[in-house]
Amino acid sequence: KNEVEQSPQNLTAQEGEFITINCSYSVGISALHWLQQHPGGGIVSLFMLSSGKKKHGRLIATINIQEKHSSLHITASHPRDSAVYICAVRDDKIIFGKGTRLHILP
Amino acid sequence: DVKVTQSSRYLVKRTGEKVFLECVQDMDHENMFWYRQDPGLGLRLIYFSYDVKMKEKGDIPEGYSVSREKKERFSLILESASTNQTSMYLCASSSVDRGNQPQHFGDGTRLSIL
Repeated sequence: KNEVEQSPQNLTAQEGEFITINCSYSVGISALHWLQQHPGGGIVSLFMLSSGKKKHGRLIATINIQEKHSSLHITASHPRDSAVYICAVRDDKIIFGKGTRLHILP
Repeated sequence: DVKVTQSSRYLVKRTGEKVFLECVQDMDHENMFWYRQDPGLGLRLIYFSYDVKMKEKGDIPEGYSVSREKKERFSLILESASTNQTSMYLCASSSVDRGNQPQHFGDGTRLSIL
């Protein structure tokens, strides 16, 4: 069974800081998904990737298949980026990490 | 734009009641999912459906059932609600899984069982 570990569990940073959230998994996958959950509960899909790197605005996601590791970066962080970020991996089913709670202080 | 709508944001019910949570998607997706989310446990799959009238158990189906009579609607049913079913429930949908299609989530229903 695939184990998905996210780090850190909680992260507090000042506005403008560069943020990195990590996700590691134990078994080979076909794709990895980064999700954002706002305090109200709704979940938004950020990225789905199976290799390399993707960028959308201030968000960058990378994946290293050999090392079974992915990172989500946020450049020039802003208080509106405060949310829970969830990593999910797909092998024969989808397995979710427990999430990283990010709080950006103004 | 993609839209998954859950019928209630907040719901309070009593132990023993039959509870229905409704989810509707407007994207003509084949796959629909019900998850529950609890602190420290992350998202856990209850049931999913890959077609009308088809359903498959997820990781934690006990105490739940589902219904998919129409493609756009997937209902989660708590046959006899218990306090340990107090949780956040999230519905998601995706198109047929060729090349890993992302799941689209609803806003969630926070259910309290008293």
